[in-house]
Amino acid sequence: RKEVEQDPGPFNVPEGATVAFNCTYSNSASQSFFWYRQDCRKEPKLLMSVYSSGNEDGRFTAQLNRASQYISLLIRDSKLSDSATYLCVVSGAGSYQLTFGKGTKLSVIP
Amino acid sequence: EPEVTQTPSHQVTQMGQEVILRCVPISNHLYFYWYRQILGQKVEFLVSFYNNEISEKSEIFDDQFSVERPDGSNFTLKIRSTKLEDSAMYFCASSEVGKGHTDTQYFGPGTRLTVL
Repeated sequence: RKEVEQDPGPFNVPEGATVAFNCTYSNSASQSFFWYRQDCRKEPKLLMSVYSSGNEDGRFTAQLNRASQYISLLIRDSKLSDSATYLCVVSGAGSYQLTFGKGTKLSVIP
Repeated sequence: EPEVTQTPSHQVTQMGQEVILRCVPISNHLYFYWYRQILGQKVEFLVSFYNNEISEKSEIFDDQFSVERPDGSNFTLKIRSTKLEDSAMYFCASSEVGKGHTDTQYFGPGTRLTVL
């Protein structure tokens, strides 16, 4: 059973495109939700937390649907520097551990 | 900006040998973690540590693994007798608080462990 599931991609998009990533999680008790990005052979870096009301940070918008156990990330006006693997991450109530999805690879092409 | 640091960046060892991976968490953080990522796989939780004791561990974190905070700044992961399947990138992370919505974990650059 996959706890956090993501479309592995790769997503190859031209500069300036809008791209959306989806993620589902299996543990209904999950309480905290995040998108991290990971460059090749580097550490995961927090991109943004995800709130039930949805949140936006510049070109990035994250949405959470608790009823469907679904998380999304929208990237507008893609830049070459957005090329990375995007990791959907959840943590549960009373738990310290982060549970990672396998990630969705994005390549932004000139 | 404060960051988590890890040494060494790459460790090569023979099967059966002991290795110690070192981490310096962000100075005002109280919660420390180890994760691993086998090449091509997802990041997996190993252990969390708070107030000088393990607070949570995964099934991966068996008797071959141990963690320690030997002083006020370092946090170490020891693998007693390495196996080929221990080859992975090991990430240390730290957070200011442990649970709840603000438990953002910050990751170090990782130690790539290669077991021959």
